[in-house]
Amino acid sequence: NAGVTQTPKFRVLKTGQSMTLLCAQDMNHEYMYWYRQDPGMGLRLIHYSVGEGTTAKGEVPDGYNVSRLKKQNFLLGLESAAPSQTSVYFCASVGGRWDTQYFGPGTRLTVL
Amino acid sequence: GDSVTQMEGPVTLSEEAFLTINCTYTATGYPSLFWYVQYPGEGLQLLLKATKADDKGSNKGFEATYRKETTSFHLEKGSVQVSDSAVYFCALAGGGNKLTFGTGTQLKVEL
Repeated sequence: NAGVTQTPKFRVLKTGQSMTLLCAQDMNHEYMYWYRQDPGMGLRLIHYSVGEGTTAKGEVPDGYNVSRLKKQNFLLGLESAAPSQTSVYFCASVGGRWDTQYFGPGTRLTVL
Repeated sequence: GDSVTQMEGPVTLSEEAFLTINCTYTATGYPSLFWYVQYPGEGLQLLLKATKADDKGSNKGFEATYRKETTSFHLEKGSVQVSDSAVYFCALAGGGNKLTFGTGTQLKVEL
Protein backbone atom coordinates (compact mmCIF):
# COMPACT_ATOMS: atom_id res chain seq x y z
CA ASN A 1 0.00 0.00 0.00
CA ALA A 2 1.89 3.05 -1.27
CA GLY A 3 -0.81 5.63 -0.45
CA VAL A 4 -0.67 8.64 -2.77
CA THR A 5 2.28 9.02 -5.11
CA GLN A 6 3.15 11.89 -7.42
CA THR A 7 5.47 12.02 -10.39
CA PRO A 8 7.68 13.80 -11.06
CA LYS A 9 9.01 15.24 -7.81
CA PHE A 10 10.74 18.18 -9.47
CA ARG A 11 10.53 19.78 -12.89
CA VAL A 12 11.82 22.88 -14.62
CA LEU A 13 9.97 24.12 -17.70
CA LYS A 14 10.41 26.97 -20.09
CA THR A 15 7.50 29.31 -20.76
CA GLY A 16 5.17 27.76 -23.31
CA GLN A 17 6.19 24.14 -22.72
CA SER A 18 3.64 21.55 -21.71
CA MET A 19 3.73 18.79 -19.13
CA THR A 20 1.55 16.36 -17.22
CA LEU A 21 1.70 15.62 -13.51
CA LEU A 22 0.55 12.19 -12.43
CA CYS A 23 -1.15 11.36 -9.16
CA ALA A 24 -1.80 7.74 -8.28
CA GLN A 25 -3.53 6.19 -5.29
CA ASP A 26 -3.96 2.54 -4.37
CA MET A 27 -6.68 2.93 -1.73
CA ASN A 28 -9.69 2.73 -4.05
CA HIS A 29 -10.71 6.27 -3.09
CA GLU A 30 -13.46 8.00 -5.04
CA TYR A 31 -12.41 11.61 -4.53
CA MET A 32 -9.15 13.06 -5.78
CA TYR A 33 -7.87 16.65 -5.74
CA TRP A 34 -5.12 18.83 -7.16
CA TYR A 35 -3.89 21.81 -5.10
CA ARG A 36 -1.17 24.35 -5.56
CA GLN A 37 0.74 25.79 -2.62
CA ASP A 38 2.25 29.23 -2.80
CA PRO A 39 3.97 31.20 -0.02
CA GLY A 40 1.49 33.06 2.17
CA MET A 41 -1.53 31.67 0.32
CA GLY A 42 -2.05 28.23 1.76
CA LEU A 43 -3.39 25.54 -0.53
CA ARG A 44 -5.72 26.47 -3.35
CA LEU A 45 -7.84 23.93 -5.17
CA ILE A 46 -7.22 23.68 -8.90
CA HIS A 47 -9.49 20.82 -10.01
CA TYR A 48 -11.04 17.82 -8.38
CA SER A 49 -12.85 14.59 -9.21
CA VAL A 50 -15.60 12.77 -7.37
CA GLY A 51 -15.22 9.56 -9.34
CA GLU A 52 -13.80 7.89 -12.41
CA GLY A 53 -14.63 9.86 -15.54
CA THR A 54 -15.65 13.02 -13.65
CA THR A 55 -13.83 16.30 -13.11
CA ALA A 56 -14.78 19.71 -11.74
CA LYS A 57 -13.18 23.11 -11.44
CA GLY A 58 -11.84 24.40 -8.18
CA GLU A 59 -10.77 27.85 -7.08
CA VAL A 60 -7.92 28.43 -9.57
CA PRO A 61 -8.54 26.23 -12.67
CA ASP A 62 -7.30 28.56 -15.44
CA GLY A 63 -4.31 27.25 -17.37
CA TYR A 64 -4.79 23.66 -16.18
CA ASN A 65 -6.67 20.63 -17.43
CA VAL A 66 -7.31 17.31 -15.73
CA SER A 67 -8.43 13.81 -16.54
CA ARG A 68 -9.61 10.84 -14.46
CA LEU A 69 -9.77 7.99 -16.95
CA LYS A 70 -8.94 5.41 -14.29
CA LYS A 71 -10.12 5.53 -10.71
CA GLN A 72 -6.62 5.27 -9.32
CA ASN A 73 -5.07 8.05 -11.43
CA PHE A 74 -5.68 11.79 -11.62
CA LEU A 75 -3.64 13.71 -14.19
CA LEU A 76 -2.97 17.45 -14.15
CA GLY A 77 -1.90 19.03 -17.42
CA LEU A 78 -0.33 22.35 -18.26
CA GLU A 79 -0.73 23.02 -21.97
CA SER A 80 1.38 26.17 -22.14
CA ALA A 81 3.29 26.82 -18.95
CA ALA A 82 3.64 30.34 -17.57
CA PRO A 83 5.91 31.69 -14.81
CA SER A 84 2.81 32.27 -12.67
CA GLN A 85 2.42 28.49 -12.51
CA THR A 86 5.66 28.11 -10.59
CA SER A 87 4.47 26.42 -7.43
CA VAL A 88 4.38 23.23 -5.40
CA TYR A 89 1.55 20.97 -6.51
CA PHE A 90 -0.11 18.50 -4.16
CA CYS A 91 -2.50 15.73 -4.94
CA ALA A 92 -4.89 14.31 -2.35
CA SER A 93 -7.37 11.48 -2.22
CA VAL A 94 -10.29 10.95 0.11
CA GLY A 95 -12.29 7.88 0.93
CA GLY A 96 -15.90 7.87 1.94
CA ARG A 97 -15.27 10.06 4.98
CA TRP A 98 -13.15 13.15 5.45
CA ASP A 99 -10.91 11.48 8.01
CA THR A 100 -9.55 9.08 5.39
CA GLN A 101 -7.64 11.65 3.42
CA TYR A 102 -4.08 11.41 2.22
CA PHE A 103 -1.77 13.85 0.51
CA GLY A 104 1.03 13.06 -1.87
CA PRO A 105 4.58 14.34 -1.28
CA GLY A 106 4.26 17.15 -3.82
CA THR A 107 5.77 18.20 -7.14
CA ARG A 108 7.93 21.31 -7.23
CA LEU A 109 7.52 23.00 -10.59
CA THR A 110 9.54 25.97 -11.80
CA VAL A 111 8.61 27.77 -15.01
CA LEU A 112 11.31 30.02 -16.40
CA GLY B 1 -18.30 31.32 0.25
CA ASP B 2 -16.40 29.34 2.85
CA SER B 3 -13.23 30.82 4.30
CA VAL B 4 -10.67 30.10 7.02
CA THR B 5 -8.56 32.69 8.81
CA GLN B 6 -5.60 31.69 10.93
CA MET B 7 -2.97 33.67 12.74
CA GLU B 8 0.08 34.69 10.78
CA GLY B 9 3.46 33.32 11.68
CA PRO B 10 6.08 32.54 12.25
CA VAL B 11 5.41 31.63 15.85
CA THR B 12 8.62 31.05 17.76
CA LEU B 13 8.51 29.27 21.12
CA SER B 14 10.93 27.71 23.54
CA GLU B 15 10.69 23.99 24.16
CA GLU B 16 8.01 23.08 26.75
CA ALA B 17 6.10 26.32 26.15
CA PHE B 18 2.33 26.40 25.66
CA LEU B 19 1.10 26.71 22.09
CA THR B 20 -2.02 28.32 20.73
CA ILE B 21 -2.65 28.87 17.03
CA ASN B 22 -5.91 30.69 16.37
CA CYS B 23 -8.31 29.66 13.62
CA THR B 24 -11.71 31.11 12.78
CA TYR B 25 -14.00 30.20 9.94
CA THR B 26 -16.93 31.36 7.87
CA ALA B 27 -19.23 28.75 6.41
CA THR B 28 -22.86 27.97 5.88
CA GLY B 29 -24.32 25.00 7.64
CA TYR B 30 -22.24 22.73 9.85
CA PRO B 31 -18.80 22.12 8.38
CA SER B 32 -16.25 19.61 9.59
CA LEU B 33 -13.03 21.21 10.85
CA PHE B 34 -9.45 19.99 10.58
CA TRP B 35 -5.89 20.76 11.50
CA TYR B 36 -3.09 19.57 9.23
CA VAL B 37 0.67 19.59 9.77
CA GLN B 38 3.31 19.92 7.09
CA TYR B 39 6.92 19.06 7.90
CA PRO B 40 9.66 20.50 5.68
CA GLY B 41 9.71 18.96 2.23
CA GLU B 42 6.66 16.80 2.85
CA GLY B 43 2.95 16.78 2.06
CA LEU B 44 0.20 17.54 4.53
CA GLN B 45 -0.81 15.09 7.23
CA LEU B 46 -4.11 15.15 9.03
CA LEU B 47 -3.43 16.03 12.67
CA LEU B 48 -6.92 16.11 14.16
CA LYS B 49 -10.53 16.76 13.29
CA ALA B 50 -13.94 17.62 14.71
CA THR B 51 -17.22 17.07 12.96
CA LYS B 52 -19.78 18.85 15.14
CA ALA B 53 -20.12 21.64 17.67
CA ASP B 54 -18.35 21.09 21.02
CA ASP B 55 -16.38 18.14 19.65
CA LYS B 56 -12.75 18.07 20.75
CA GLY B 57 -10.21 16.62 18.36
CA SER B 58 -6.91 15.43 19.79
CA ASN B 59 -3.73 13.73 18.62
CA LYS B 60 -0.06 13.66 19.69
CA GLY B 61 -0.75 16.09 22.55
CA PHE B 62 -2.48 18.61 20.29
CA GLU B 63 -6.13 19.43 20.74
CA ALA B 64 -8.77 21.74 19.32
CA THR B 65 -12.43 22.30 20.19
CA TYR B 66 -15.15 23.09 17.65
CA ARG B 67 -16.77 26.30 18.94
CA LYS B 68 -19.79 27.14 16.86
CA GLU B 69 -20.73 30.21 18.89
CA THR B 70 -17.38 31.86 18.12
CA THR B 71 -16.80 30.02 14.80
CA SER B 72 -13.38 28.99 16.03
CA PHE B 73 -11.16 25.91 16.13
CA HIS B 74 -7.98 26.97 17.93
CA LEU B 75 -5.08 24.53 18.09
CA GLU B 76 -3.37 24.05 21.48
CA LYS B 77 -0.57 22.00 22.97
CA GLY B 78 0.56 22.16 26.55
CA SER B 79 4.27 21.57 26.01
CA VAL B 80 5.84 21.85 22.58
CA GLN B 81 8.96 20.03 21.43
CA VAL B 82 11.55 20.88 18.81
CA SER B 83 10.08 18.08 16.70
CA ASP B 84 6.78 20.01 16.51
CA SER B 85 8.41 22.62 14.28
CA ALA B 86 6.33 22.62 11.11
CA VAL B 87 3.62 24.54 9.27
CA TYR B 88 0.09 24.07 10.60
CA PHE B 89 -3.01 24.51 8.46
CA CYS B 90 -6.59 24.90 9.59
CA ALA B 91 -9.24 23.73 7.12
CA LEU B 92 -12.95 23.12 6.79
CA ALA B 93 -15.06 20.77 4.72
CA GLY B 94 -18.32 22.36 3.76
CA GLY B 95 -20.57 21.29 0.97
CA GLY B 96 -19.39 20.04 -2.39
CA ASN B 97 -16.74 17.58 -1.20
CA LYS B 98 -14.09 20.29 -1.01
CA LEU B 99 -11.66 21.46 1.63
CA THR B 100 -10.98 25.15 2.25
CA PHE B 101 -7.60 25.90 3.83
CA GLY B 102 -6.20 28.75 5.85
CA THR B 103 -2.88 30.26 4.81
CA GLY B 104 -0.85 28.26 7.30
CA THR B 105 1.11 29.17 10.43
CA GLN B 106 4.77 28.31 10.73
CA LEU B 107 5.85 27.13 14.17
CA LYS B 108 9.50 27.18 15.23
CA VAL B 109 10.42 25.57 18.53
CA GLU B 110 13.86 26.31 19.96
CA LEU B 111 15.86 24.63 22.72
